Amino acid sequence: AQSVTQLGSHVSVSEGALVLLRCNYSSSVPPYLFWYVQYPNQGLQLLLKYTSAATLVKGINGFEAEFKKSETSFHLTKPSAHMSDAAEYFCAVTSSGNTPLVFGKGTRLSVIA
Amino acid sequence: ETGVTQSPTHLIKTRGQQVTLRCSSQSGHNTVSWYQQALGQGPQFIFQYYREEENGRGNFPPRFSGLQFPNYSSELNVNALELDDSALYLCASSLGLGGADTIYFGEGSWLTVV
Repeated sequence: AQSVTQLGSHVSVSEGALVLLRCNYSSSVPPYLFWYVQYPNQGLQLLLKYTSAATLVKGINGFEAEFKKSETSFHLTKPSAHMSDAAEYFCAVTSSGNTPLVFGKGTRLSVIA
Repeated sequence: ETGVTQSPTHLIKTRGQQVTLRCSSQSGHNTVSWYQQALGQGPQFIFQYYREEENGRGNFPPRFSGLQFPNYSSELNVNALELDDSALYLCASSLGLGGADTIYFGEGSWLTVV
């Protein structure tokens, strides 16, 4: 079975500071990994995905994530936080074939002016 | 804009009632999945349909059922509603059966059971 652990249910950063949201996964087969963002009262928007090509994945809105197999991690980063980045962020894992997305519990990002 | 639309956006039902939630996927997307997101939690997989056949199910009881239609629309039906069914229900679509496919989510339907 696959699983995702997101360390820190709430992360607070100052505007302009580095954003680091942590995600560790468990999978017995090669994983595909995703980060989604959810703004208040909205659905999920895909930020980026890892599908076994480059281990450093660049996404929308200046976010990127690095797949580290040895650490089973897929942490999300952004060099400089913006107020508009305040939202809930979900890491998810799946694999090839007919397997659904398995989500972490999410990390709420707050950005302080 | 993901091309996935859901209706209704909000609804309130009474315990024991039945509800139908609807989703319209992107044209050409053969796979539709439904997820339940309780308050403060990540989405949980309910089931998936591929070309109108159920193709995988999460840990949800049989009172959760679905349909997928040839016109890329789908339904989630929940019978005998319980208070714990209160949640955001998300519809998601993709071209194939997951894996590397990008999965597009709708805005969701907020269900409150009282």
